[in-house]
Amino acid sequence: GESVGLHLPTLSVQEGDNSIINCAYSNSASDYFIWYKQESGKGPQFIIDIRSNMDKRQGQRVTVLLNKTVKHLSLQIAATQPGDSAVYFCAGVMKTSYDKVIFGPGTSLSVIP
Amino acid sequence: DTEVTQTPKHLVMGMTNKKSLKCEQHMGHRAMYWYKQKAKKPPELMFVYSYEKLSINESVPSRFSPECPNSSLLNLHLHALQPEDSALYLCASSQIVSATNYGYTFGSGTRLTVV
Repeated sequence: GESVGLHLPTLSVQEGDNSIINCAYSNSASDYFIWYKQESGKGPQFIIDIRSNMDKRQGQRVTVLLNKTVKHLSLQIAATQPGDSAVYFCAGVMKTSYDKVIFGPGTSLSVIP
Repeated sequence: DTEVTQTPKHLVMGMTNKKSLKCEQHMGHRAMYWYKQKAKKPPELMFVYSYEKLSINESVPSRFSPECPNSSLLNLHLHALQPEDSALYLCASSQIVSATNYGYTFGSGTRLTVV
């Protein structure tokens, strides 16, 4: 079936350490994947995306890795800061006449000062 | 302008009221979406508009009525809602033509409480 899921519902990290948030997906038809950050009371905020034909993409303090062999996606946050505390969603997207987005259940990241 | 703007930010309505949620974007996106999000859950797709035409209705009750008056605006008309409809309602937009920056962008949402 179509699903994008996360291994861990919660993650606590010491400030300054690196964070790794994982995501498993079952639908191989996704054209690209997105990581979103959602703070309390706000809409999902785009962090980074990666095309399905790529293995790695880097942004500012974030890196997304895609392993299509095992259908696994990860988000790495370098030098985690208190402002990184939020719920993180991975999403697989299929482009047709619109973007069909399938969200994972989310991981809550807590940064310990 | 790289934002999706939703109004109002908060809305409290009675079960007999009629209200509307509004969404606006000026990024030239031709696909627009309504999502419903309950606490601690991922967003759930409700409606998709592609080129101002309704493409997808994910079996949403008729008390929710979407409208896309033009390529920049998306409305969600609410009537005779139930308390269980209380949630964060999110609007999103995206490009239809494939591009390097896929641009799937969410608004900040309307926090709806039905009393």
